[in-house]
Amino acid sequence: AQTVTQSQPEMSVQEAETVTLSCTYDTSESNYYLFWYKQPPSRQMILVIRQEAYKQQNATENRFSVNFQKAAKSFSLKISDSQLGDTAMYFCAFIPTQGGSEKLVFGKGTKLTVNP
Amino acid sequence: DSGVTQTPKHLITATGQRVTLRCSPRSGDLSVYWYQQSLDQGLQFLIQYYNGEERAKGNILERFSAQQFPDLHSELNLSSLELGDSALYFCASRGGADTQYFGPGTRLTVL
Repeated sequence: AQTVTQSQPEMSVQEAETVTLSCTYDTSESNYYLFWYKQPPSRQMILVIRQEAYKQQNATENRFSVNFQKAAKSFSLKISDSQLGDTAMYFCAFIPTQGGSEKLVFGKGTKLTVNP
Repeated sequence: DSGVTQTPKHLITATGQRVTLRCSPRSGDLSVYWYQQSLDQGLQFLIQYYNGEERAKGNILERFSAQQFPDLHSELNLSSLELGDSALYFCASRGGADTQYFGPGTRLTVL
């Protein structure tokens, strides 16, 4: 079974500081995509960043970057210069590129609070 | 704004009733996915349609059904509603590289 585990139910960080959210996953697939989605209090699911498993280079989107360790099946999200608007639930998700299954498998989420 | 629209935003109904949730995917996207987000189960995949055809099924109850129309909008029908069906229902459409973009969701409350 394909699973995604987020071991930190809640985290907090001071504004302007850096925080790292952890995610591990389990799959026998060799090709897949990994995502981080953000869900602010508005409940909208917003794509933060995407990583293709066959690419060794870690993805970066402005203040957001990932540390992708394929052998360890680890996919952490680093948020630099944290802003109050980063307060949200963050979900790690996985989808294989082959095998016919196109559903996203989500972790349980990490609730991040950015304090002023 | 993801480009995926969902109506209604909120729905309050009674047990035993039937409701229909509507989703319009992003322009050009052929795939539509439905997910349920509840407090105890987290985000669960329900069903996927591709260009009008059912492509994959997840943990969807028999009381629930969906379809995708020729104009690519999709509807999720929930019947014989129970208290436990109260949840946030998301629709997503797939762009390039297996990226799914989510609509704003429909919050269903069953009383």
